[in-house]
Amino acid sequence: DADVTQTPRNRITKTGKRIMLECSQTKGHDRMYWYRQDPGLGLRLIYYSFDVKDINKGEISDGYSVSRQAQAKFSLSLESAIPNQTALYFCATSDPTPEGKLFFGSGTQLSVL
Amino acid sequence: ELKVEQNPLFLSMQEGKNYTIYCNYSTTSDRLYWYRQDPGKSLESLFVLLSNGAVKQEGRLMASLDTKARLSTLHITAAVHDLSATYFCAVDKTGTASKLTFGTGTRLQVTL
Repeated sequence: DADVTQTPRNRITKTGKRIMLECSQTKGHDRMYWYRQDPGLGLRLIYYSFDVKDINKGEISDGYSVSRQAQAKFSLSLESAIPNQTALYFCATSDPTPEGKLFFGSGTQLSVL
Repeated sequence: ELKVEQNPLFLSMQEGKNYTIYCNYSTTSDRLYWYRQDPGKSLESLFVLLSNGAVKQEGRLMASLDTKARLSTLHITAAVHDLSATYFCAVDKTGTASKLTFGTGTRLQVTL
């Protein structure tokens, strides 16, 4: 079983709809992240959380919100989806060791029509 | 604003050849990561470089970090087809590994 699980894997929605992407992890890590990947742009950080009570904006948080329901769960919401939010979304975790490397989920491909 | 630039963006090379991917970044940092992404897949960590002069090797890949030049390299030795993937470098400007800025990626294609 995957350590970082994202649902759904693919989603097509219409402009203006609210949508939630979910992420759960079994790695026991406190830190969780949401990134989006666009062709030719690499990955950009949307939100990150160091624990259940700590939520921080990343570089592109406008139009998104998050909820950290438990140490293992971190969800990303698009309140009113727009076409330029079409992208591949990754959830990731990291532990607080000096290395701090990220462990990624399989991604959610979101298309907003 | 931290900028991370990789070059080349696309690299086609024959099996058995050597090549280097470059990662330049614009502000001071002594923490740099390399990740690999196979087509349609997630990213996996390759190397974590935590100090100036750090060098790490795994198989045919070797990564190094020069913090004074703000440059990291990923060297491929005697490429094989299985190395075909997109390679990303990412820089941590906070020192806490909490906010990585990724490069745009280098798509490597190793031909038989």
